[in-house]
Amino acid sequence: EVQLQESGPGLVKPSQSLSLTCSVTGYSITSNYWGWIRKFPGNKMEWMGYISYSGSTSYNPSLKSRISITRDTSKNQFFLQLNSVTTEDTATYYCARALPWGVMDAWGQGASVTVSS
Amino acid sequence: DIQMTQSPASLSASLGETVTIECLASEDIYSNLAWYQQKPGKSPQLLIYDASSLQDGVPSRFSGSESGTQYSLEINSLQSEDAATYFCQQHHDYPFTFGSGTKLEIK
Repeated sequence: EVQLQESGPGLVKPSQSLSLTCSVTGYSITSNYWGWIRKFPGNKMEWMGYISYSGSTSYNPSLKSRISITRDTSKNQFFLQLNSVTTEDTATYYCARALPWGVMDAWGQGASVTVSS
Repeated sequence: DIQMTQSPASLSASLGETVTIECLASEDIYSNLAWYQQKPGKSPQLLIYDASSLQDGVPSRFSGSESGTQYSLEINSLQSEDAATYFCQQHHDYPFTFGSGTKLEIK
């Protein structure tokens, strides 16, 4: 059974970078797609982007200049970096496995990140 | 981006009742719609994909349908464990987009 677990700082200062790790067990990240989704206070959900089994990436254009998703296949982990954060980036961040047609069938428990000075 | 308009924002229903949640896509998404259930403090769980395909392990009380660009999630014979927030998501085109969520309360 695939399991995903997010980890990273829960507090980030404005203008700094947000960095999260998703550790995957029970399934290789060299198969399927692996994405990041965030849920804002008030329930709005936003798909941020994914990294594919081959290492190619696709990002939400609203974030394209600030986001980077990378991976370490030796550790079966993938990563999110979001630069120049503001208070509007305060959210719960989820990593998820995505099937090729864009459906997320396994999710991590979520990591709450607050952007505040 | 494709906009997903979800309704209602919240609803309350009794045990055993049937409820329907709807999502309207701003353009044709060719049945590429998923429904997720999220309970408080938990991560979203996939219920339905491709508008009407039930994910493995999901009770048959859940069903999805479509009519043009309008998509519906129906929950029959409501159980107490169905109390949750439900989201739709279009998986037709990038960037994938979500509905605003429906909070379901069981009386």
